[in-house]
Amino acid sequence: AQKITQTQPGMFVQEKEAVTLDCTYDTSDQSYGLFWYKQPSSGEMIFLIYQGSYDEQNATEGRYSLNFQKARKSANLVISASQLGDSAMYFCAMRDLNQAGTALIFGKGTTLSVSS
Amino acid sequence: EPEVTQTPSHQVTQMGQEVILRCVPISNHLYFYWYRQILGQKVEFLVSFYNNEISEKSEIFDDQFSVERPDGSNFTLKIRSTKLEDSAMYFCASSRGGRSSYNSPLHFGNGTRLTVT
Repeated sequence: AQKITQTQPGMFVQEKEAVTLDCTYDTSDQSYGLFWYKQPSSGEMIFLIYQGSYDEQNATEGRYSLNFQKARKSANLVISASQLGDSAMYFCAMRDLNQAGTALIFGKGTTLSVSS
Repeated sequence: EPEVTQTPSHQVTQMGQEVILRCVPISNHLYFYWYRQILGQKVEFLVSFYNNEISEKSEIFDDQFSVERPDGSNFTLKIRSTKLEDSAMYFCASSRGGRSSYNSPLHFGNGTRLTVT
């Protein structure tokens, strides 16, 4: 069975600083994908970034990057130059990539608060 | 950009009543999902649907729940006899099909907030 652990219930950062949100995972699958989603207070789920288990490079999408350490089974999200609009709940999730359409399994989330 | 749409945005119902939550997935997507999120908590998988049948379901998805794709565009979640603990935000999601899409993300709708009184 797959499991995602996010140990930081809340994180605080000042504008323009970088912040790292932790995510560790457990799976017996060899081929899997790791995803990060943002959930602002309005409630929608916004896809941010993806990392495949066989990807050699860490994924980057604008100010978001993923610090993927396969041996440690961690996939931490790094947000550079934080903005007030980054204040939200952040979820790490994973899915088995051995077949199409498998479910995403989510962690409990981390609430990020960005202050000016 | 195409998006997943869900209606209604908020549904209030009495305990024991049936509710149907509706979703229109992205048109060229082949996999459909329902998730729920009890206020401020973890997003929990309920069920996935492909080729007009359930492909995967969680322990939460018991006999009280059912899903249907009644036509070419809608995807519905029915709760037969609602309980207080069914109060949650219900998210519909969809993803592309085909082998090259194994790593494609799920695209979520804005959710339906279900309140059972």
